[in-house]
Amino acid sequence: DAGVTQSPTHLIKTRGQQVTLRCSPKSGHDTVSWYQQALGQGPQFIFQYYEEEERQRGNFPDRFSGHQFPNYSSELNVNALLLGDSALYLCASSETGNWDSPLHFGNGTRLTVT
Amino acid sequence: ELKVEQNPLFLSMQEGKNYTIYCNYSTTSDRLYWYRQDPGKSLESLFVLLSNGAVKQEGRLMASLDTKARLSTLHITAAVHDLSATYFCAVDISTSGTYKYIFGTGTRLKVLA
Repeated sequence: DAGVTQSPTHLIKTRGQQVTLRCSPKSGHDTVSWYQQALGQGPQFIFQYYEEEERQRGNFPDRFSGHQFPNYSSELNVNALLLGDSALYLCASSETGNWDSPLHFGNGTRLTVT
Repeated sequence: ELKVEQNPLFLSMQEGKNYTIYCNYSTTSDRLYWYRQDPGKSLESLFVLLSNGAVKQEGRLMASLDTKARLSTLHITAAVHDLSATYFCAVDISTSGTYKYIFGTGTRLKVLA
């Protein structure tokens, strides 16, 4: 049973560029959340997708956008990259209605903006 | 502003010693989670605490939740080197059970041989 998988594992981009990160949820999960973890910090909630719609959003600018596909996989897009966007981006999945279970996290994508 | 605060932020302890990590949060929530993160790795779920007075134990770690005090503790008994990692608490602040977690700042634990 595959867990949450993310790609790529590492990425280096230049300021002003755009990036797309990908996530496949754990089997049986239908909700995907994205978190940004800066070095030495706790993860911060970006947004959450369920039924192909953004359901909740954290305090992130519109440069951060996402998408969920019918197979529940998801993409995180970041436009006009800034140096401050350098971080570990974590995808987490869950099963709607199974509120007693914690979020399951992927291994993350390490994004470096130069 | 919603806050989840952990203390200490850094903890260096000798093997065999006991210690407690504290997690205070500023909003009403009945769902609190503890995660472990090794350097460069993802988050591993340790405990799920879903009600006031909940206590969970796994090996040398024990977690508890006091929703009235808005406080959770993670107690380490007879620490071993393998417990060295960063520990995060997280509070689910969603009103409809939709998994919006607010994470604490993390406690970086180093267990010295």
